[in-house]
Amino acid sequence: DGGITQSPKYLFRKEGQNVTLSCEQNLNHDAMYWYRQDPGQGLRLIYYSQIVNDFQKGDIAEGYSVSREKKESFPLTVTSAQKNPTAFYLCASSGDQPQHFGDGTRLSIL
Amino acid sequence: EDQVTQSPEALRLQEGESSSLNCSYTVSGLRGLFWYRQDPGKGPEFLFTLYSAGEEKEKERLKATLTKKESFLHITAPKPEDSATYLCAVRTGGFKTIFGAGTRLFVKA
Repeated sequence: DGGITQSPKYLFRKEGQNVTLSCEQNLNHDAMYWYRQDPGQGLRLIYYSQIVNDFQKGDIAEGYSVSREKKESFPLTVTSAQKNPTAFYLCASSGDQPQHFGDGTRLSIL
Repeated sequence: EDQVTQSPEALRLQEGESSSLNCSYTVSGLRGLFWYRQDPGKGPEFLFTLYSAGEEKEKERLKATLTKKESFLHITAPKPEDSATYLCAVRTGGFKTIFGAGTRLFVKA
């Protein structure tokens, strides 16, 4: 079945550590997105990519980095510079619209 | 400033008690309004896209409508399995997608 796979489902970060969240899609979509979801807030855009080897910052990109070396893959690295990383992270992809989402990664601090 | 506001924040219904969720928006040009359902610990699941005022879409007990300033998600005779968070999102003229904070729906048997 076509879809978006995020891994791991749960992730714990130690102080000063970088961690990478995986996102893979087999929908043949050009565009991919990373969002952060906090309780009581709407989804906030971290980074997006409309084509391989190109990506743009979203509204809250500080402390995060991404790469887009393959159409199917858009990994997100949460760096030690992100001081409040605890959140639910969602990856999405789209052809035209709407966006379709994976089942998320919950990141916590140890 | 582009903005999407959903109300109420939470809604508690008895099984069979119909109601509506609201999504109001102020954006510079509307290129689509989207409704999603999100279950706890899961990603949002796409429900509907609406493009122009007067448009309506239906799926089982759900019906989405759109005006120039807001959208409603009508839930007819809800069941406990309809309990979830419902998200509204708007794609603007600048091709940016803005999400509302969601309405948490609880349906009691």
